[in-house]
Amino acid sequence: GEDVEQSLFLSVREGDSSVINCTYTDSSSTYLYWYKQEPGAGLQLLTYIFSNMDMKQDQRLTVLLNKKDKHLSLRIADTQTGDSAIYFCALTPGYSTLTFGKGTMLLVSP
Amino acid sequence: DGGITQSPKYLFRKEGQNVTLSCEQNLNHDAMYWYRQDPGQGLRLIYYSQIVNDFQKGDIAEGYSVSREKKESFPLTVTSAQKNPTAFYLCASKKENYGYTFGSGTRLTVV
Repeated sequence: GEDVEQSLFLSVREGDSSVINCTYTDSSSTYLYWYKQEPGAGLQLLTYIFSNMDMKQDQRLTVLLNKKDKHLSLRIADTQTGDSAIYFCALTPGYSTLTFGKGTMLLVSP
Repeated sequence: DGGITQSPKYLFRKEGQNVTLSCEQNLNHDAMYWYRQDPGQGLRLIYYSQIVNDFQKGDIAEGYSVSREKKESFPLTVTSAQKNPTAFYLCASKKENYGYTFGSGTRLTVV
């Protein structure tokens, strides 16, 4: 099956940029997603990128996709304490259901 | 406002008891999904349904059952055959060519 790998933890200071990385094995996914989960809550779709794009920018969020290396990243500029959450990379390999990485916990300190 | 409603938010189950988690959506989405989340495990797919009266097993369907009698509703039953049911359960829905929308989850604890 599809493997989606993320580092488990990232700690940054408020105002810094955060970069969360994701690698995957199946490159057939049309869309690749980033979701955010705050404690005790459901998942909120942050952004997504179409597989034929290299980059997508949405306010403080920048998504980079390197299809050759099967690498997806999410950059959060000017990180705030309210950005502290778990971030999930997700894709739909083989046009099947959504497959998630295990999530990266982002901790932002003042 | 449209969205997905999961209930209850917290649920306690005794050993050997079946419990049903509710998931209702008013987004007119065709497909609905149930995921289980355990700490450090990410989300794992239990069951999904693309249309009414049809559903498929996901990666961890053993000990669970579902029904899809209405487009808006996709309840999940955790049966006594599920040996380790304590987890956070998330329901999602999706309309073709759009992203997934998630509910706020149900936390199930065995007591």
